[in-house]
Amino acid sequence: EVQLVESGGGLVQPGGSLRLSCAGSGFTFSNYYISWVRQVPGEGREWVSSIGGSGTRTNYADSVKGRFTISRDNAKNTVYLQMNSLRAEDTAVYYCVKMGNYYINDWGQGILVTVSS
Amino acid sequence: QSALTQPASVSGSPGQSITISCTGTSSDVGAYNYVSWYQQHPGKAPKLMIYDVSNRPSGVSNRFSGSKSGNTASLTISGLRAEDEADYFCSSYTSSDTRVFGGGTKLTVL
Repeated sequence: EVQLVESGGGLVQPGGSLRLSCAGSGFTFSNYYISWVRQVPGEGREWVSSIGGSGTRTNYADSVKGRFTISRDNAKNTVYLQMNSLRAEDTAVYYCVKMGNYYINDWGQGILVTVSS
Repeated sequence: QSALTQPASVSGSPGQSITISCTGTSSDVGAYNYVSWYQQHPGKAPKLMIYDVSNRPSGVSNRFSGSKSGNTASLTISGLRAEDEADYFCSSYTSSDTRVFGGGTKLTVL
């Protein structure tokens, strides 16, 4: 059974940093793109970032480019999202997702990030 | 990247068919056959229902079908059942090598 477990969320002040982790199991981790998707409760979803299986290919939404960095450690079956210069508008539930070719196969349970003073 | 446009809600009676639209641009929906659809029941993780415009994953009922015309993709559910009541949202690959989502549509089975 595929499992994706996010951790590292919480409350942070504007301008602060946070690192999210996504631990995957139940599949050959290094074979799959992993993405982060966020959702403000009651609003639509927003794709944030993706990373290829080897970690060499990454891309970002314009809204986070230059502030967020995605990386992975396949030995630990974990993807990270380093979030710097956080803004109030980054407040959302962040989901780790396992990608098919151009679609999402599996979702984590989500983790809340709140940016507030 | 702007979100894809979906109706906020649709409804239908058991046994009927409904269609949910997902409108994008020539840089996403219109450019690629990489539209996917997801079903989400309250408190549950989204479930992939359609990928690559019209393909059903194994285990998804053939009552669910997808199509695309120009910049608009559609999800059709035939023979509506009570258990189909859920939120549905679309997603597309984009020319910027990113992904974009629709705002979601709440389906009510009357």
